[in-house]
Amino acid sequence: NAGVTQTPKFQVLKTGQSMTLQCAQDMNHEYMSWYRQDPGMGLRLIHYSVGAGITDQGEVPNGYNVSRSTTEDFPLRLLSAAPSQTSVYFCASGPSGSLYFGPGTRLTVL
Amino acid sequence: KQEVTQIPAALSVPEGENLVLNCSFTDSAIYNLQWFRQDPGKGLTSLLLIQSSQREQTSGRLNASLDKSSGRSTLYIAASQPGDSATYLCAVKSRAGNTGKLIFGQGTTLQVKP
Repeated sequence: NAGVTQTPKFQVLKTGQSMTLQCAQDMNHEYMSWYRQDPGMGLRLIHYSVGAGITDQGEVPNGYNVSRSTTEDFPLRLLSAAPSQTSVYFCASGPSGSLYFGPGTRLTVL
Repeated sequence: KQEVTQIPAALSVPEGENLVLNCSFTDSAIYNLQWFRQDPGKGLTSLLLIQSSQREQTSGRLNASLDKSSGRSTLYIAASQPGDSATYLCAVKSRAGNTGKLIFGQGTTLQVKP
């Protein structure tokens, strides 16, 4: 099992650019989620999904879109990047009650 | 609104020392509590998961306790080693099922000196 994989590991964007952060898991987990981690703010939930075709907002959803067309994949889209979205992004999946995290994507928006 | 606090923010100890990391939460109506480890530049690795009906969980040199009534959990690390140096985060889940969200503390960064 590869577990939870994320690509890319690093990304630099200019303000206004768009991009998609990829996340995939091979553990057949129904639940998947995206967090961002910022110094002094801890980990905050952006969006989550409880199964293919079902997504919902977390604590800080503004500026981000998600979709879940398959159980394995849960991409996070930034439609128009802003400097405030500079952060480390983690994807996580799990059975009810536990989470497995990916290695993260470090995003810088200039 | 559930809030999770971890004190201290940073801790430095000599190798071999036993130590305790603290986690407190404001709403005692939790489903479970989880302790994670994060190495610099890496993702989070789950260490221990305690269900709300449990008092403690053990894994090797790690022991986590849960006191729901007081809103506290501790992570005890025995005979600390330099390899234990990392950031430790606790997270609470407020209800069962996939819609229950994890609320994280800001972590305690541990340095174990040889």
